[in-house]
This record gives sequence, C-alpha cells and structure tokens, in this order.
Amino acid sequence: NAGVTQTPKFRVLKTGQSMTLLCAQDMNHEYMYWYRQDPGMGLRLIHYSVGEGTTAKGEVPDGYNVSRLKKQNFLLGLESAAPSQTSVYFCASSYPGGARAFFGQGTRLTVV
Amino acid sequence: QQQVKQSPQSLIVQKGGISIINCAYENTAFDYFPWYQQFPGKGPALLIAIRPDVSEKKEGRFTISFNKSAKQFSLHIMDSQPGDSATYFCAALFSGGYNKLIFGAGTRLAVHP
Repeated sequence: NAGVTQTPKFRVLKTGQSMTLLCAQDMNHEYMYWYRQDPGMGLRLIHYSVGEGTTAKGEVPDGYNVSRLKKQNFLLGLESAAPSQTSVYFCASSYPGGARAFFGQGTRLTVV
Repeated sequence: QQQVKQSPQSLIVQKGGISIINCAYENTAFDYFPWYQQFPGKGPALLIAIRPDVSEKKEGRFTISFNKSAKQFSLHIMDSQPGDSATYFCAALFSGGYNKLIFGAGTRLAVHP
C-alpha cells in the first residue's frame, strides 16, 4: 500500500540547473497538489490538478511548471533553479471536495 | 498575504496540560476546515476536520472549536502527551469547483514530560 510516492527524496542543484520532481499515487485520486514547506511559512500551494490533463496555479507558481499526463502522476519542473527554491517539496492527492489530502514523504531540495 | 493566519508559531506545554492553537481566515468561501499533524521527516496527515455549520467537533483528546461569525477556529489538545509533540497546521478548503487546500504557517508543539 504505497499511497503517495515522491522521487527523489533529496537533491542538490546548482543555480541554473533544471530538474523534475515526480509524484505518483495509487489511490485513484482525481486531485493532486504540489506544496513547498519553508520555516515560518507553512505549506504553500505551488500548482494543483483536478484531473488528468488539467493544471492550475496555486499561491506561489512562479519558477515552476507542472504536468499531469497520467492520472496517477504529477510532475513538478524547475527550469532554471534559484537559491530561493531551496525548500522541502510535498506532493499530495485527494478525492474531489475532500479535506483529507494524502501527502508523500517530501523531497528536500537545496539549490547552491 | 496568508489567507489562513495561525498562532502561536511555537508552543510548550507540560504533560497533562491543554494545548490550544488558533487560526483565523478571511474568505467566507472556505467551507471545510481541517487540521493536519506533521512529525519530523514525514508528510502532514489529517488529524480532524470541521464544517462551518458545526460549532465543535471532538475526536478523542482533540477538539475543534469553530466561530463562524468571528471567522476563527481553534484546536484544543486535552491531556497533552509527549507523543503529541509535532507541528500542527490548520487549513481551509474551497470544496466547490477547484479544490484548493490552503494551509496556515504551522505551530510547533513541544510537550514536556
């Protein structure tokens, strides 16, 4: 029973490099989310998706892109990483209208 | 501008005491108010949730109190235990249309034995 799986768990990037974070869920959830967690800022919504092929901007979308080509996967891309994107990134999924979002274990990203 | 404001940022409580965390929101379109608990190195997990047509919800030692007119809600942890030490996030949800779950800044709770 995997739930929500994030890949990778840790990554160090140099400024200007690109990378993709992968989120996979096996609960057949329609909705998926990407959050970033920073000290004192809580969890801030980057982008989200309400179904396969759809994406929408959250609170802090700048510098990120996402894709939802398959229902079970939600990809978060950083085209040109900046030190301000150093953070812990969480993916989550849920049923429509539900307050219960299931979170992955997080990806700790450091941009130097 | 945070849509959900949470306080305090950190809280220290003695074992057996009551932990109280407060949240306030502005947007009356929110229609579901969950609380999440996060242990170090883990993702947040749903603890308890309430809808705005209910003033209080209790699950074991955890209680949500909701004041719709004041646009405030709070989490009370009765008989706090060291195992409750974690970060707690309040959140608010637009469940209609696009399902957006917005979180507060979090409260780091430490329960001392």
